[in-house]
Amino acid sequence: AQKITQTQPGMFVQEKEAVTLDCTYDTSDQSYGLFWYKQPSSGEMIFLIYQGSYDEQNATEGRYSLNFQKARKSANLVISASQLGDSAMYFCAMREGRAGGFKTIFGAGTRLFVKA
Amino acid sequence: DAGVTQSPTHLIKTRGQHVTLRCSPISGHKSVSWYQQVLGQGPQFIFQYYEKEERGRGNFPDRFSARQFPNYSSELNVNALLLGDSALYLCASSPGLGVGTGELFFGEGSRLTVL
Repeated sequence: AQKITQTQPGMFVQEKEAVTLDCTYDTSDQSYGLFWYKQPSSGEMIFLIYQGSYDEQNATEGRYSLNFQKARKSANLVISASQLGDSAMYFCAMREGRAGGFKTIFGAGTRLFVKA
Repeated sequence: DAGVTQSPTHLIKTRGQHVTLRCSPISGHKSVSWYQQVLGQGPQFIFQYYEKEERGRGNFPDRFSARQFPNYSSELNVNALLLGDSALYLCASSPGLGVGTGELFFGEGSRLTVL
């Protein structure tokens, strides 16, 4: 069974608008971490934001925020005020806890297109 | 400080050959993970090493093997290459192994083409 699900293969957003990229996850661990990475066409993986399973507040990093709903097992990324440079692939990832060997697994990704 | 470095950056092999990919983690990082990323897909977990021991293995055939050296650098070996092994191979390092040890730091990858 997939442990990280990103249901949006592609998303379009107008420049300066906000966009939400969806991510749901599945784990039996109580302790785990959730990450979002950006991968431009150049191929590098850029870390954006992190949310720990015990963190009560949603994480924010500049224009990025993570909408963490633990009971629903969702960790959506919100990008505010989109910029043309935000066009890229976005991956949701989870570091599993002890039961999962602490490995980090990735979703299939969402390709974001920002329109001028 | 140097980031995660991988070599070679690009290579072309033919079916049946063997390949060795190398990775040097960020100084002080003791955990190295390997991922295979086929074009248009997410990174697939191959191996995780911590303190020179294999601590996780993904759903890859035995043709894939890896090791971590005393200086924490790592090698990924793939034998009997198949066309389907063509991909970007990413190495990532982190300081430790636990949930709270922070994000993975990625190298720029080794792009393998199998003809």
